[in-house]
Amino acid sequence: GENVEQHPSTLSVQEGDSAVIKCTYSDSASNYFPWYKQELGKRPQLIIDIRSNVGEKKDQRIAVTLNKTAKHFSLHITETQPEDSAVYFCAASLTGGFKTIFGAGTRLFVKA
Amino acid sequence: SAVISQKPSRDICQRGTSLTIQCQVDSQVTMMFWYRQQPGQSLTLIATANQGSEATYESGFVIDKFPISRPNLTFSTLTVSNMSPEDSSIYLCSVVASGRVGELFFGEGSRLTVL
Repeated sequence: GENVEQHPSTLSVQEGDSAVIKCTYSDSASNYFPWYKQELGKRPQLIIDIRSNVGEKKDQRIAVTLNKTAKHFSLHITETQPEDSAVYFCAASLTGGFKTIFGAGTRLFVKA
Repeated sequence: SAVISQKPSRDICQRGTSLTIQCQVDSQVTMMFWYRQQPGQSLTLIATANQGSEATYESGFVIDKFPISRPNLTFSTLTVSNMSPEDSSIYLCSVVASGRVGELFFGEGSRLTVL
């Protein structure tokens, strides 16, 4: 089955700096790669996603890149703000969200 | 999007008892999933709840321990049977809303503490 590895487990940055979180997946059949943000005590919510036919996608300060050959995908947050502090999960799934498998999570701290 | 209601939001249970968690969605959805999130950990897929057929369980999870019902396209239940302290966790219901490529919407979760 699918296995998703995520690094780092904890990331601390200064406000305004960039943050990068990296993930790898094992199942070449996976074709949908979402990123979820989970604030303390809240449910996870999607912040950006990418499909396997796209190499990069950007939404304001957030971007995601995908290297299908290497089975790597990454989340990039620029100009970080204190409200970006949360746990971020990468995930991989088959079409339609079937069997979405999550990485271990990255706890991001943005220091003001 | 999809609005998901889960009940109970939290409960404290005695060892050896069972508890059923309910998940109600505001629209018809094909796929519903149950996840477990232990404190400070990631989300682990327990099973996919299929309407009209048995749930599909992931490795490490069995029907006797986590029976699931899916009587229609807007509702599902997860039962945690014969609970032990190791079952203390947050259980989350999630769905893929109609028209969405794969985005999961989550309920608020049910926090179970087993004494």
